[in-house]
Amino acid sequence: EIVMTQSPATLSVSPGERATLSCRASQSVSSNLAWYQQKPGQAPRLLIYGASTRATGLPARFSGSGSGTEFTLTISSLQSEDFAVYYCQQYNNWPPGTFGQGTKVEIK
Amino acid sequence: EVQLVQSGAEVKTPGESLKISCKGSGYSFTTYWIGWVRQMPGKGLEWMGFIYPGDSDTRYSPSFQGQVTISADKSSSTAYLQWTSLKASDTAMYYCARRGGNYYGDYWGQGTLVTVSS
Repeated sequence: EIVMTQSPATLSVSPGERATLSCRASQSVSSNLAWYQQKPGQAPRLLIYGASTRATGLPARFSGSGSGTEFTLTISSLQSEDFAVYYCQQYNNWPPGTFGQGTKVEIK
Repeated sequence: EVQLVQSGAEVKTPGESLKISCKGSGYSFTTYWIGWVRQMPGKGLEWMGFIYPGDSDTRYSPSFQGQVTISADKSSSTAYLQWTSLKASDTAMYYCARRGGNYYGDYWGQGTLVTVSS
């Protein structure tokens, strides 16, 4: 099973600053990687698929990059509504299509 | 507008059976896979399996094979997740999600909280 490791576990950022979240796969997943945002009490929301393609309606301040085993989600200028937990998920090998453990982006 | 609307929260005792639902609207229900995701309290996300409502082709993640049953009813555009004998360890939030172009979820239901306690 492919293990997805996200870092850091918690990221403290001030509004308006840039946030960079990392996701590493234990073996290559090509570009078969998605990012999700989950706010407390809400369902996950798809942000990025194919490692770098923004989901419909996603603001341009969100961007994804990487391939193989190293991936990054960047939020260029954090807005108040962006404070949440972010998960990466590989779908190169399904089942099980493993998720990372999440990165919590909190207000500094 | 694509919408997935799930059934309400459930409180059950160990050994009981349960079937929760996910009703799709705003798109062609029979031509997109629907998946189920488990989120245990304070934990991360796990895909349980997917069903293609068009022909009921079903794929399970190994951890959930034999533990749950996924089904769908084309006539009502509804997918289901079912247990025959619940355990306390089944306590979790369960989400349904439409499969996008590959095994990721592009639209999600609001979640169904299942609590199993004696």
